Amino acid sequence: QKEVEQDPGPLSVPEGAIVSLNCTYSNSAFQYFMWYRQYSRKGPELLMYTYSSGNKEDGRFTAQVDKSSKYISLFIRDSQPSDSATYLCAMRTGGGADGLTFGKGTHLIIQP
Amino acid sequence: DAEITQSPRHKITETGRQVTLACHQTWNHNNMFWYRQDLGHGLRLIHYSYGVQDTNKGEVSDGYSVSRSNTEDLPLTLESAASSQTSVYFCASSADRVRGYTFGSGTRLTVV
Repeated sequence: QKEVEQDPGPLSVPEGAIVSLNCTYSNSAFQYFMWYRQYSRKGPELLMYTYSSGNKEDGRFTAQVDKSSKYISLFIRDSQPSDSATYLCAMRTGGGADGLTFGKGTHLIIQP
Repeated sequence: DAEITQSPRHKITETGRQVTLACHQTWNHNNMFWYRQDLGHGLRLIHYSYGVQDTNKGEVSDGYSVSRSNTEDLPLTLESAASSQTSVYFCASSADRVRGYTFGSGTRLTVV
């Protein structure tokens, strides 16, 4: 079993819809959780960063962490065609000694 | 503005040749990382460094080496390139061990 599981998609939704992206993980030592957005042929860029359980909101983006279920989510409200990209979840332990562990990414398509 | 740059953007090399990929950051970050990204595998950590003269092996370090002689640079060397090392390589940096990373734009390497 991989440490971080993420559905690769593609996930296709109409413009304006609410998008839900998810990851599950197996390592209970993960404490820091992030979401990256990656456009085609570009490097990943950090979207959201959360510590431990709870919610964090930034504009149209909301990140949720449920450590009891080992489940994290990213919600995108009022989705736009410019949100079309691959979304990668990432996480690390408290000590952070060995870098980030990434999910494989979900390819999201927002239809105009 | 501070940035992280990778060179070359594209490289084609022959099996058995030594290849060095450059990564240069002007963020003055202590932490630097090399990842490779492949379809079906996502981002996997190759090597990382938490400061000058510090280097550590990641998940997929066989056949790769790094050295850190200053804060700005972490070159990645493929000792004897193999077709299995055809991939997109990303360099990243961070200010500390718990924050998210800033990624470069990647180097697309093809080994023929």
